[in-house]
Amino acid sequence: QQQVKQSPQSLIVQKGGISIINCAYENTAFDYFPWYQQFPGKGPALLIAIRPDVSEKKEGRFTISFNKSAKQFSLHIMDSQPGDSATYFCAARARGSSNTGKLIFGQGTTLQVKP
Amino acid sequence: GAGVSQSPSNKVTEKGKDVELRCDPISGHTALYWYRQSLGQGLEFLIYFQGNSAPDKSGLPSDRFSAERTGGSVSTLTIQRTQQEDSAVYLCASSFSDRGTEAFFGQGTRLTVV
Repeated sequence: QQQVKQSPQSLIVQKGGISIINCAYENTAFDYFPWYQQFPGKGPALLIAIRPDVSEKKEGRFTISFNKSAKQFSLHIMDSQPGDSATYFCAARARGSSNTGKLIFGQGTTLQVKP
Repeated sequence: GAGVSQSPSNKVTEKGKDVELRCDPISGHTALYWYRQSLGQGLEFLIYFQGNSAPDKSGLPSDRFSAERTGGSVSTLTIQRTQQEDSAVYLCASSFSDRGTEAFFGQGTRLTVV
């Protein structure tokens, strides 16, 4: 119930295309859903985040779509660029006294954007 | 410093030896997390500190692993009697609170057990 399942494991997209990464969760106590971007040799960095009271959040070329009833959320990267090539992690954080604050990460998606 | 600082950046140790990994969180951040990332894998939760509350140790893989946070700031992750399967990048993160604010990660410590 604490898991966050992420797919696909790897993704290859042509420059200018749309990259889509999906995540699913079980725990209804999750109330904060960030996406992190990680370049080789670096720690993950926050890209964009959403709370379950909204269905979509857009920041530049990055959009999170959130489906609360299906317990799924996805990251869309519009006009993908070679500089977007990185590993992307979805995550979820639970509320509640027993597990508040613990960020649970998906398995990661390695994105390669071809020029 | 401006960000989360981890030391050392790389550590090579012999099997059976103990190691200590250090994390200096961003000043004022009350929440601190340790994660482990094996080669090409996701981030495995290890332990979480929030203020003066008892830490959430539910992710520690064995009793060889322990962590402490002194004075609500610096944290040390200790691995006793290291094994080859402990080889990974150990990442520390901190955030201002546990209620949905951004967690900032350090660069990690790459641990290699030979």
